[in-house]
Amino acid sequence: SQQGEEDPQALSIQEGENATMNCSYKTSINNLQWYRQNSGRGLVHLILIRSNEREKHSGRLRVTLDTSKKSSSLLITASRAADTASYFCATESGGSYIPTFGRGTSLIVHP
Amino acid sequence: DTAVSQTPKYLVTQMGNDKSIKCEQNLGHDTMYWYKQDSKKFLKIMFSYNNKELIINETVPNRFSPKSPDKAHLNLHINSLELGDSAVYFCASSQDPREDKYFGAGTRLSVL
Repeated sequence: SQQGEEDPQALSIQEGENATMNCSYKTSINNLQWYRQNSGRGLVHLILIRSNEREKHSGRLRVTLDTSKKSSSLLITASRAADTASYFCATESGGSYIPTFGRGTSLIVHP
Repeated sequence: DTAVSQTPKYLVTQMGNDKSIKCEQNLGHDTMYWYKQDSKKFLKIMFSYNNKELIINETVPNRFSPKSPDKAHLNLHINSLELGDSAVYFCASSQDPREDKYFGAGTRLSVL
């Protein structure tokens, strides 16, 4: 069954603004990952955060994880037009380590 | 030097036909996957192979048959294509199931 649910479904901002996307999930997880998908392309792995971590940074990306609320957020600071893409969260639970994806947030950054 | 490559990129075919999608990875990974992304962008695991052995087979119709001739290849053969098979199919690989997954660019299948 579907695990992660991203919110909002679509987000439109101006270049330079920050973009925040949220992901909620239902069951206990081993880790949560964020991926980016440019139009017509495959998924690119952005960040993995483990269940015992609360925050991770990578360049302009900041991911938080709140296991008590079963939620994660992805913050993109100082957005650029090139950040326009769909962003997916994926959770891994139990022993399978197969990521289960949400439906994604479509981000448009206007120059 | 694409890490995970899929062919073809686009496939348009008639209902009832049999088609194959090929996937190759040059990363030396032991685990490979096939995912299906529907029109609402929902991405769902179909199969997972580790060292040429099937380890995950979600509730996929048996018209779909993965074939792994060696660790670097995981091809997807689909028999008797149906309209509902129209989707984007992604191949992925990882060193082992716990490691980061690397995705191909996808194959957009349209069944008419």
